[in-house]
Amino acid sequence: SQQGEEDPQALSIQEGENATMNCSYKTSINNLQWYRQNSGRGLVHLILIRSNEREKHSGRLRVTLDTSKKSSSLLITASRAADTASYFCATGGLYRGAQKLVFGQGTRLTINP
Amino acid sequence: GAVVSQHPSWVICKSGTSVKIECRSLDFQATTMFWYRQFPKQSLMLMATSNEGSKATYEQGVEKDKFLINHASLTLSTLTVTSAHPEDSSFYICSAYGSSYNEQFFGPGTRLTVL
Repeated sequence: SQQGEEDPQALSIQEGENATMNCSYKTSINNLQWYRQNSGRGLVHLILIRSNEREKHSGRLRVTLDTSKKSSSLLITASRAADTASYFCATGGLYRGAQKLVFGQGTRLTINP
Repeated sequence: GAVVSQHPSWVICKSGTSVKIECRSLDFQATTMFWYRQFPKQSLMLMATSNEGSKATYEQGVEKDKFLINHASLTLSTLTVTSAHPEDSSFYICSAYGSSYNEQFFGPGTRLTVL
């Protein structure tokens, strides 16, 4: 079963605007990860935030984590057309060192030029 | 980062035939590989965890006799969809964990269409 819910399911904004996506999860976590998927392609890892972190930045990406609310958000600032993709959060436990990931439903982001 | 490949990238087959999908870690050794399935406009669902030299561990609801997984070496895992039916049409994605990187890397996916 899916671990998390993401909202919105779809988001369409103008280039240059900021995009915010939210993710909620159900169980305790060690970390939470965000991935991007271009249409019909594989996943690209964006950022990992640990359970003891509240905020993390990477370039135009800002991720927050609220473990008390079991939620995370991904903010993309100054969006570009190339940011058009689906974005997924993922959590999971360790399996022989690897993360057995459970993905949220995803947000389909469209950046209009 | 490390590279994971999948072959084929897309395949069309007739109902009742079997299809094999390969997942390779190109420049690192992967003791664990994961297989996911993704239906259109939906999220990824973990199907099974593949361990080098041992039997795969399947998620609840995934038929192990239909989705055969073999992880014969540290760089190759295969998923065979046996007696494929149109409802098996999906996007199959693998990921590989490299302990040397302590990170998981995803393949580009394989689009399976069963007619």
